[in-house]
Amino acid sequence: QSALTQEASVSGTVGQKVTLSCTGNSNNIGTYAVGWYQQISHGIPKTVMFGNSLPSGIPDRFSGSKSGTTASLTISGLQPEDEADYYCSTWDHSLSGWVFGGGTKVTVL
Amino acid sequence: QVQLVQSGGGVVQPGGSLRLSCAVSGFTFNTFSMHWVRQAPGKGLEWVAIISHDGNTKYHADSVEGRFTISRDDSKKTVYLQMNSLRVEDTAVYYCARDKQWQFVDYWGQGALVTVSS
Repeated sequence: QSALTQEASVSGTVGQKVTLSCTGNSNNIGTYAVGWYQQISHGIPKTVMFGNSLPSGIPDRFSGSKSGTTASLTISGLQPEDEADYYCSTWDHSLSGWVFGGGTKVTVL
Repeated sequence: QVQLVQSGGGVVQPGGSLRLSCAVSGFTFNTFSMHWVRQAPGKGLEWVAIISHDGNTKYHADSVEGRFTISRDDSKKTVYLQMNSLRVEDTAVYYCARDKQWQFVDYWGQGALVTVSS
């Protein structure tokens, strides 16, 4: 069982807004910012969000936020190329290690 | 541009050892912490280890503690993962990754497949 909890799957049509969530506790998300990673067909992961900052080259339809012990990744205007697995992750000071969520599969209908 | 080029994957028998390497370029290596992350077949991402920019701080996941060791050689701009006492369940693609602020990863290596099988 992952330390961070994500939905198993989320789907939407092209142009729709979808929001992925990542729930932790006070030892991880409650204290640290969250990174989000996109993986298409089990290829090399790509970083799509640091906290609420967008890495260079990532479209601005991606945005991040956090409230308490839950972080969210929103894709505004879903595109076919956004179909992928998305993982959240951050540091956990009680475990003295990084923790990942189990991943959310985003399907574009 | 930032590049992380991995080498060292392969097939090994249970109980065996393997060392992964990750050579970097395009940034000042000794100012960044580095991670190893793995992904078993059909599974999600699992963090393995982190080493600080100066090599003085290292953390390993409980699942590999005492068997795997992360290290770095700043003169070669390379981070390593020494894997001993390998188990079947260590079979995975292993990625090296550059740390950002001890909270995120911003760049990933291409991955190296490690297969532990008799």
